[in-house]
Amino acid sequence: DQQVKQNSPSLSVQEGRISILNCDYTNSMFDYFLWYKKYPAEGPTFLISISSIKDKNEDGRFTVFLNKSAKHLSLHIVPSQPGDSAVYFCADAGGTSYGKLTFGQGTILTVHP
Amino acid sequence: DTAVSQTPKYLVTQMGNDKSIKCEQNLGHDTMYWYKQDSKKFLKIMFSYNNKELIINETVPNRFSPKSPDKAHLNLHINSLELGDSAVYFCASSQVGRENTGELFFGEGSRLTVL
Repeated sequence: DQQVKQNSPSLSVQEGRISILNCDYTNSMFDYFLWYKKYPAEGPTFLISISSIKDKNEDGRFTVFLNKSAKHLSLHIVPSQPGDSAVYFCADAGGTSYGKLTFGQGTILTVHP
Repeated sequence: DTAVSQTPKYLVTQMGNDKSIKCEQNLGHDTMYWYKQDSKKFLKIMFSYNNKELIINETVPNRFSPKSPDKAHLNLHINSLELGDSAVYFCASSQVGRENTGELFFGEGSRLTVL
C-alpha cells in the first residue's frame, strides 16, 4: 500500500524567511509527487510536482526536492509571505493513468508578518 | 467562472436520511473524482469516473452511489447516513492522457454533518 506521511502538523515561520515542509513516503510505484495548497473553505489547488527523473523542481519561490534513496521530499518556500499561510499536502500520484492521488495529512503553515 | 463547482457547500442532516451532493466541471476534463476528508484531515479517494465509466471504487460502502450522467457531472448519493459519514467531500476533475501530470482540480468541498 502506498503511504504518504507529513510528520509535522504545523509550521510557523517569519515573513521573508524560508519555509521547509517535509514528506516521507513508502511503496511509491513511480516516484511522482505533487504538492497542493489549501486555504480554509476552499479546495486544494495544485502547486508544484516532481517526477523521479529529477531531484529538484523549481517554480518561482517554490522548490521541491526529491531524495529517492531516503524516500523523502520537501517543499521549500523562499521568501515566505503571509499569503502562503495555508495547509500544504504532498501527494503520491501512484503512476496510474486515472489520477488516484494518495495524500499526506497536511502541514499547516503560518507565516507571521 | 468556477471550474469545479459542488452543491451544497454545507449539509446538516439526521442519521438514516438519504442525501445527494452534486458536482459539475466546465474544464472539458474526461475524468472526475470524489475524495473524502475525514476528521483526521486525510484526503482519500472514493471514486473515479472516466467518460461516465467507473474506474476506481475504493472499498466504499455501497450506501455511497456515484452517478455520472455525462462527463461534466458526477453526483454522489448517500443512503442511510451514519455518524461516521460526517466529513468534507471534495469533487475533482482532471484530463487523463499520455501527458497526464496527475494534477487534479478540486471543488470547494461539501461539509456533511450527520447528527
